[in-house]
Amino acid sequence: DAKTTQPPSMDCAEGRAANLPCNHSTISGNEYVYWYRQIHSQGPQYIIHGLKNNETNEMASLIITEDRKSSTLILPHATLRDTAVYYCRFNAGGTSYGKLTFGQGTILTVHP
Amino acid sequence: DVKVTQSSRYLVKRTGEKVFLECVQDMDHENMFWYRQDPGLGLRLIYFSYDVKMKEKGDIPEGYSVSREKKERFSLILESASTNQTSMYLCASSFPLPGTGFNTEAFFGQGTRLTVV
Repeated sequence: DAKTTQPPSMDCAEGRAANLPCNHSTISGNEYVYWYRQIHSQGPQYIIHGLKNNETNEMASLIITEDRKSSTLILPHATLRDTAVYYCRFNAGGTSYGKLTFGQGTILTVHP
Repeated sequence: DVKVTQSSRYLVKRTGEKVFLECVQDMDHENMFWYRQDPGLGLRLIYFSYDVKMKEKGDIPEGYSVSREKKERFSLILESASTNQTSMYLCASSFPLPGTGFNTEAFFGQGTRLTVV
């Protein structure tokens, strides 16, 4: 299975940047990293994905290290509504072809 | 707007009942997935399907089966519901990246909170 490692929880002050790390040391060269978030009692929602270069969209920025073994999701100005569980994932090839699995995620709590 | 729709938001069933959870997507996605989510255990994959009538076991398939007769619809079946199947069930769909088979971004339904009494 495609394993990711994320801290179980993080705190952030409202208005500050939230930097959420993910380790994906077994990722292969052509696999994308995807990030999702899940607000309480809702299904996970796609945020952003990337392969090698840093990416930015209206929701967040994604920084991927040069060796691609880790990435950081950045919420530049966190709001209370960003309190959620954040998941990173990458694809599983080989014997896990087509499988879509998630790790435990990081519970981000944004404080006033 | 892309959509994955689960038939029920809340469901209460009795032990031993046969339970059907339905999921429909309108994005023409090849791949569909069923998960359960329990506190402290994250999202656990039950079954997935990469084509009509095709299915693969996920990490926790015991006590469940699935059916995919049409591309847009993926059903999760609890043959004989038990109290330890009380959980939040989430359906998702995605399409494979051409040439690799890797999943692209997945879209989730709102979830069905099933209680077995």
